[in-house]
Amino acid sequence: AQSVSQHNHHVILSEAASLELGCNYSYGGTVNLFWYVQYPGQHLQLLLKYFSGDPLVKGIKGFEAEFIKSKFSFNLRKPSVQWSDTAEYFCAVRTQAGTALIFGKGTTLSVSS
Amino acid sequence: ETGVTQSPTHLIKTRGQQVTLRCSSQSGHNTVSWYQQALGQGPQFIFQYYREEENGRGNFPPRFSGLQFPNYSSELNVNALELDDSALYLCASSLDLGDTQYFGPGTRLTVL
Repeated sequence: AQSVSQHNHHVILSEAASLELGCNYSYGGTVNLFWYVQYPGQHLQLLLKYFSGDPLVKGIKGFEAEFIKSKFSFNLRKPSVQWSDTAEYFCAVRTQAGTALIFGKGTTLSVSS
Repeated sequence: ETGVTQSPTHLIKTRGQQVTLRCSSQSGHNTVSWYQQALGQGPQFIFQYYREEENGRGNFPPRFSGLQFPNYSSELNVNALELDDSALYLCASSLDLGDTQYFGPGTRLTVL
């Protein structure tokens, strides 16, 4: 069965620090990849997605992610975090033949001002 | 454009009862997926409906059932509630099969 692993459970950063959240998945075939964010008191929102093409994808609010097929990874990055980035971040994978999104357990990001 | 909406927001039930949760998909979206998110976990796929037919199911028992209506809104029904069913239930809609899923705010179900 496919699975998604997010390495960091809780990340604490100061404003302006750089961010990288790890995500690895287990599936040998073609995948669609997603990062969703859940701000406090809000619902899950799409940050960015990869379906095909350029493996470096840019999302909203200055986030980007790089798909490295050989490493089965889709890490999320942001060069300079803001206090408003405090949220829970979920990586999700869908096989092209599949219907379900398979989520990691999430990473809580706390940014102090 | 209205996003995905869910009702009710919160619900408290007791063990053994039955519950129905509702979801209105985003305008023009014909596919609805349901997820269960336990505290501290990522969402887990329950099932998906496409044009009123079930199009995939996760590892959930048959007491979890659903419906999709001609206007593409959907219901999730859970029978014989158990304490472990306490969770946030999320509905997501997509324009078509294989497209990006957009999530609603969820229904928080507490089973006592």
